[in-house]
Order: sequence, then C-alpha cells, then structure tokens
Amino acid sequence: EIVLTQSPATLSLSPGERATLSCRASESASSYVAWYQQKPGQAPRLLIYDSSHRETGVPARFSGSGSGTDFTLTISSLEPEDFAVYFCQQRHRWPPLTFGGGTKVEI
Amino acid sequence: QLQLQESGPGLVKPSETLSLTCTVSGGSITSSIHYWGWIRQPPGKGLEWIGSMFYSGTTHYNASLKSRLTMSVDTSKNQFSLKLTSVTAADTAAYYCARQWRGYFDNWGQGILVIVSS
Repeated sequence: EIVLTQSPATLSLSPGERATLSCRASESASSYVAWYQQKPGQAPRLLIYDSSHRETGVPARFSGSGSGTDFTLTISSLEPEDFAVYFCQQRHRWPPLTFGGGTKVEI
Repeated sequence: QLQLQESGPGLVKPSETLSLTCTVSGGSITSSIHYWGWIRQPPGKGLEWIGSMFYSGTTHYNASLKSRLTMSVDTSKNQFSLKLTSVTAADTAAYYCARQWRGYFDNWGQGILVIVSS
C-alpha cells in the first residue's frame, strides 16, 4: 500500500500569505494524487486531481504540482475561507485508496 | 446537480452490525464511469477509505475491514449500502458516501456520525 505523509501538520499563516503544503508518497504515485479541502463540520471537497488539474469551480489561487513521490499544494494568497484542513490522496495503486494525515492551515 | 445522502442509525452497540445507506439523487448510480465509495473519519482524525463498488456489483474493500464488510447496491432505488459487522469503539467515526471518478472522490454526502457504545 502507498503511504502518504503530509507536512507540516499545522501551518500558521495570515490572509494574503502563500501556503505551501507537502505530500510525500512511500513509493511512486506517478501523477495520480488529489488534494481535498475540509472545513469543520463539512465533507471534504475535491480541489486538485492528477497532481495539477483544478476541479471545476476551484479558484485559480489553488495549484498543485509534483510527480513520483513528492507533491505540493500551493495557495498563492490565502483568503479567509481557505483556513481549513487539506488532505492528499493517491489512486495510482488501488486498492487501497489512501489518504495523507492532513495539514491544518490556521491563522 | 448530484447529491448523496447517508442514512442509518447514529448509535450502534458493540459487537452489533453497522448498516448505512447512501441515496443518490440528480444522477444515476448505473453510470459506466463511476464507482461509489465509503470513507470514514474518526473524530478529530484523518480519512480512511472503506471500500468502493460499481453498480454491476464489483467491489473493492479495504483489507483491514474486509472480513467484516459487505457493500451492496440497489439500482432500482439508486442507493448503495454498507454493512460492518462486530463493531467496536474503534469504528466510531463520521461515515461519508461519495462518488468515485477515476479513483478520486468528486461528490460527497454530508456524512453521518456513528457512535459505537453500549
């Protein structure tokens, strides 16, 4: 199974700042990694799939990159509504589908 | 607009069976390009994939749950279901159903909190 490790666990930033979130895979996940955003009391929302493709309706300030074992989600300029928990997920080798442990972006 | 809605008991006794149903509206569960999945999240923790199924009945289960897990589909009702037997406190979580597209979950239900307690 491909294990995903996210870092940092918590990212403390201010609105307008740039956020860089990391997801490292235990073996190659090719480009088959997605990123989700989860706000308190809500279901996760798909933001990015296939490492760098934005889901319909996702603002352009969200971008993804990476391949192989290292993946990054970048939020270019944090808006107040971006403070949330972010999870990565791989689908390269499934089952199982696996998720990272999450990064909390807080003010 | 596709919507998914979980339903089932919010409280299950230890050793009993957890049963949940996901009702899909605004789209067909017989889609040829989608799987339908369950994901859970213990309070304050991360996401765990439980299993996924195709409308034809093909299933893929998380190996850690496979011995206790059954997923099924009812195409006439546009629903799919999960049964998890012999539950313990470790199964306490928010359970989400979701549509799976190319291995990613692009539409989610709101989730249902299931507590395992006597």
